[in-house]
Amino acid sequence: DTGVSQDPRHKITKRGQNVTFRCDPISEHNRLYWYRQTLGQGPEFLTYFQNEAQLEKSRLLSDRFSAERPKGSFSTLEIQRTEQGDSAMYLCASSPGGGLGEKLFFGSGTQLSVL
Amino acid sequence: AQSVTQLDSQVPVFEEAPVELRCNYSSSVSVYLFWYVQYPNQGLQLLLKYLSGSTLVKSINGFEAEFNKSQTSFHLRKPSVHISDTAEYFCAVSVTGFQKLVFGTGTRLLVSP
Repeated sequence: DTGVSQDPRHKITKRGQNVTFRCDPISEHNRLYWYRQTLGQGPEFLTYFQNEAQLEKSRLLSDRFSAERPKGSFSTLEIQRTEQGDSAMYLCASSPGGGLGEKLFFGSGTQLSVL
Repeated sequence: AQSVTQLDSQVPVFEEAPVELRCNYSSSVSVYLFWYVQYPNQGLQLLLKYLSGSTLVKSINGFEAEFNKSQTSFHLRKPSVHISDTAEYFCAVSVTGFQKLVFGTGTRLLVSP
């Protein structure tokens, strides 16, 4: 168990550019989640996957955001035409199987700064 | 919609003193409640949770929280804190018991010698 890993740890980009983040969940975890955390706020739910199926998306996830989890393993989160308001910490988490109240395992996050 | 309020953004305490971190929630349906902790330079970790049954739940490192339905609260307590408890603590709720969580804004616990 190597934990949830996220890459990169930090990303600085210019407004209007596209960025992509990667999350590698704990092996054999079926559920994978993306959250976003801005300064002084708690994490906000963005989306989650059960294996390769994206089951729910928050209204926070505008059309510029897309997430994938091909083959039910790693996941990518892409932001197109970034805006300064996209600056945040993007957190990925995974869990074994979606049981009631089961623990989420969080990665350390990708800090995005849009200039 | 559910919401979580953590009124204290920062709580400074001395080592070995007791501490209470407050959490209130709002929901029109039954909820499941969680406390997550984030140590410096680490990811969020589950500290404890309430799903059903006994309203007092405990963690392995001495924290406890009590679910109070009438006051819609889930305050976190520890009778004697250590320097190593310095971290940010997030209260969260879920209405499904699955992990679409609604988090509070967090409380930074600062323990000094």
